[in-house]
Amino acid sequence: AQKITQTQPGMFVQEKEAVTLDCTYDTSDPSYGLFWYKQPSSGEMIFLIYQGSYDQQNATEGRYSLNFQKARKSANLVISASQLGDSAMYFCAMSGGFGNEKLTFGTGTRLTIIP
Amino acid sequence: EAGVAQSPRYKIIEKRQSVAFWCNPISGHATLYWYQQILGQGPKLLIQFQNNGVVDDSQLPKDRFSAERLKGVDSTLKIQPAKLEDSAVYLCASSSQGPILTNTQYFGPGTRLTVL
Repeated sequence: AQKITQTQPGMFVQEKEAVTLDCTYDTSDPSYGLFWYKQPSSGEMIFLIYQGSYDQQNATEGRYSLNFQKARKSANLVISASQLGDSAMYFCAMSGGFGNEKLTFGTGTRLTIIP
Repeated sequence: EAGVAQSPRYKIIEKRQSVAFWCNPISGHATLYWYQQILGQGPKLLIQFQNNGVVDDSQLPKDRFSAERLKGVDSTLKIQPAKLEDSAVYLCASSSQGPILTNTQYFGPGTRLTVL
C-alpha cells in the first residue's frame, strides 16, 4: 500500500520569500511517480510538478522545484519568490506502476502568503 | 486545449435522494478517474476507467454508488440513495496513455455535494 505524509497543516510565508512544503512517502512499488498539486479556494486541483522514482535529477517547473531524496523517501516542494497568488492548499501525491496508476494523496498543507 | 469539464458545480439534496454527476475528459484521454474529497482531506479514488472498462473500483461503495463511461468518453457518477457522509467534492480527472509513471492526471473543477 502507498502512503503520503504531509506534516505541516498550515504555513505562513512573507511575500517574495522561498518556501518548502514537506512530503514523505512509503511504498512497496519498485517504481513510482510523485506529484504536487495546488488547490485554490475555487476547488480545482492544478498540476504543478512531477518526479519519477528513477529520475536522476530533481524536477523543476518555473518557480517550482521538487527536492527528491529517495533514501529518505521525501519529495519536498520548493516555491521560490512566493507570490500572493500562491496562497492555496498544496497536496503531495504518488502513483505506482502498471495497474496502480491511481493517485494516493496526503492531507495537504495550507499555504498563506503575507504581503 | 479544453480541460476536464464537470457539471453541476454545486448540488444540495436531502438524504435518501439520488444525484448524478457528469464528466467530460480532455479530448483523447483514455483514462478517467472519479475521486471523492471530504472536507479537510486529500482526494480518494472511487473508480478508474480505461476507455469504457473499469480498472479499479475497489473503494466504490457499490451498494449506493454507480458509475459508467459509455463510448469511452463522457462519464456519469450516481449516488442512490445519498447519505449525510456523502457530502464532499467529487473530482473527475483524466490522463492520456503513455509511460505509466508519467501519466499526469488533470482535474476538473469538481462538484460540491451537500446532503442535508
